[in-house]
Amino acid sequence: GQSLEQPSEVTAVEGAIVQINCTYQTSGFYGLSWYQQHDGGAPTFPSYNALDGLEETGRFSSFLSRSDSYGYLLLQELQMKDSASYFCAVRGAAGNKLTFGGGTRVLVKP
Amino acid sequence: GAVVSQHPSWVICKSGTSVKIECRSLDFQATTMFWYRQFPKQSLMLMATSNEGSKATYEQGVEKDKFLINHASLTLSTLTVTSAHPEDSSFYICSARDIQGLYGYTFGSGTRLTVV
Repeated sequence: GQSLEQPSEVTAVEGAIVQINCTYQTSGFYGLSWYQQHDGGAPTFPSYNALDGLEETGRFSSFLSRSDSYGYLLLQELQMKDSASYFCAVRGAAGNKLTFGGGTRVLVKP
Repeated sequence: GAVVSQHPSWVICKSGTSVKIECRSLDFQATTMFWYRQFPKQSLMLMATSNEGSKATYEQGVEKDKFLINHASLTLSTLTVTSAHPEDSSFYICSARDIQGLYGYTFGSGTRLTVV
């Protein structure tokens, strides 16, 4: 089976930096993704890692260490609009399925 | 970029009736679409994987006869919730992956189903 662990909630102020960690256990691994979801909305696609290292996409960066089964999403220069839930997801061995972590609710305060 | 259109965005139905939700890939072909259910403040739980022209693969614990999935073309998959009950009230989201794998997984905007 597959399981992903991430913190349930993080609070920070505007302009700060937040790191959301994700550890996973999977049978097969084809990449770690991070999705942002505002309440009632669709998940959107901030970042994806298939190989070890850091990927930067604007204010968002994602890191992966396959040997440690660990990754994180780094949100920099936090803005109010970044208040949302963030999910890590792993594509495992079986048929392109994504398995999602429980989600981290990020609350950005003024 | 890739766009997935999901309709309706919200629906209220009476207990015992059926509801159909459509998911269309607008500018790409998707051999595989995925259906998720999400309860408030929880994660996305995969219900089934829908493959064009073949039967859907359901996750353990998901009732095949209750959640009917049809993937008749490379751009359309439908989920029908049959004989809906209040406990089926949830947020249903589809996702599609393009054939070439260029766009990753694109999600529809979701359908809020309320069964009364």
